[in-house]
Amino acid sequence: AQSVSQHNHHVILSEAASLELGCNYSYGGTVNLFWYVQYPGQHLQLLLKYFSGDPLVKGIKGFEAEFIKSKFSFNLRKPSVQWSDTAEYFCAVISGTYKYIFGTGTRLKVLA
Amino acid sequence: KAGVTQTPRYLIKTRGQQVTLSCSPISGHRSVSWYQQTPGQGLQFLFEYFSETQRNKGNFPGRFSGRQFSNSRSEMNVSTLELGDSALYLCASSSTGAGANVLTFGAGSRLTVL
Repeated sequence: AQSVSQHNHHVILSEAASLELGCNYSYGGTVNLFWYVQYPGQHLQLLLKYFSGDPLVKGIKGFEAEFIKSKFSFNLRKPSVQWSDTAEYFCAVISGTYKYIFGTGTRLKVLA
Repeated sequence: KAGVTQTPRYLIKTRGQQVTLSCSPISGHRSVSWYQQTPGQGLQFLFEYFSETQRNKGNFPGRFSGRQFSNSRSEMNVSTLELGDSALYLCASSSTGAGANVLTFGAGSRLTVL
């Protein structure tokens, strides 16, 4: 069965630290890849997406992610986190059947 | 424009009862999908509707059902509630064309089953 794995369930960083959240998926065909974010008290919202083309995609608020097809990975990065990045981050994939599969999420806490 | 609206926002039911949740998508969005969010499980896909037709279904028992109306509004129903059905139920809508597959989420309906 298709699955999405997020390796870190809880991450605590100090402001200005670099961030990398891991995401691996199991589907071998063509995929669309996403990162969604849920800030405290807010709706889930799109952070960035990859459909095709340049495997390095940039999203809102300085986030970027790199699609590495050979590793089935789509890791999220940010060079310098801010306190306002405290949130829960979800990696997701759509396979050919248009069925969204989400990871279990990573709770990021940034200390001021 | 208005976002995705879910009602009710909170509800408490007892085991064995049934519940209906409603979702109004963004105007012009014809795809509506539903997800169950629980701590540690992330979001699990329930089903997706497009133009009143169920296009995809997740791995949930038949107690979970849904439908979509001609105005794209959607409802999901859970019958014979179990304690494990306590969760946040999220609805999301998406457009066609360039915006396809990008989800806009509602605030969710938080269901507590006692």
